[in-house]
Amino acid sequence: DVKVTQSSRYLVKRTGEKVFLECVQDMDHENMFWYRQDPGLGLRLIYFSYDVKMKEKGDIPEGYSVSREKKERFSLILESASTNQTSMYLCASSLGGSATNTEAFFGQGTRLTVV
Amino acid sequence: AQKITQTQPGMFVQEKEAVTLDCTYDTSDPSYGLFWYKQPSSGEMIFLIYQGSYDQQNATEGRYSLNFQKARKSANLVISASQLGDSAMYFCAMREVRFSGGYNKLIFGAGTRLAVHP
Repeated sequence: DVKVTQSSRYLVKRTGEKVFLECVQDMDHENMFWYRQDPGLGLRLIYFSYDVKMKEKGDIPEGYSVSREKKERFSLILESASTNQTSMYLCASSLGGSATNTEAFFGQGTRLTVV
Repeated sequence: AQKITQTQPGMFVQEKEAVTLDCTYDTSDPSYGLFWYKQPSSGEMIFLIYQGSYDQQNATEGRYSLNFQKARKSANLVISASQLGDSAMYFCAMREVRFSGGYNKLIFGAGTRLAVHP
């Protein structure tokens, strides 16, 4: 079974802290994605990566950065956490290449609260 | 720009009846894939069905079917014979690929919350 693991289920951080959200997948997937999920807004893409050290901005990258030094790990970094970054964060991975039918597999989510 | 629109924040249906969840999309790429995912209250994301932009026939998976109208850029999910366990959030998603460099992007809509009543 594909497994996507996010390092924490719940996190509480203070405003201004640097926050790291880690995501690891065990199926050798090329693609990895970070989303935030908010009521009424669905899943919004923050950043994605289709290869090691490759990263692309999604629709809402402001205030975030990412790192992908190894194929299996994709980290989301909040450089200086703010209260408006309180949200559920979802990581996903999928096979790469030119096929459009590759299913994405999701982690269990990290509920981040910034106080 | 690529975009997914789900205009129904909430829907309800009687058990055993069929329900259609709407999804429209916007893209300028000729090659793309459309997905539906289910998210029950437990929070996990469950893949339901896929439709490719070049597929001639509508996709079906058990009680799920995708009503794909390419000219209208719509990809509605039809659930037949609704069950109580179908109560969940449903998300429409689109994958955009570019053949050079492996670029592969997946975006989602705002979702529709479906409630199945006995």
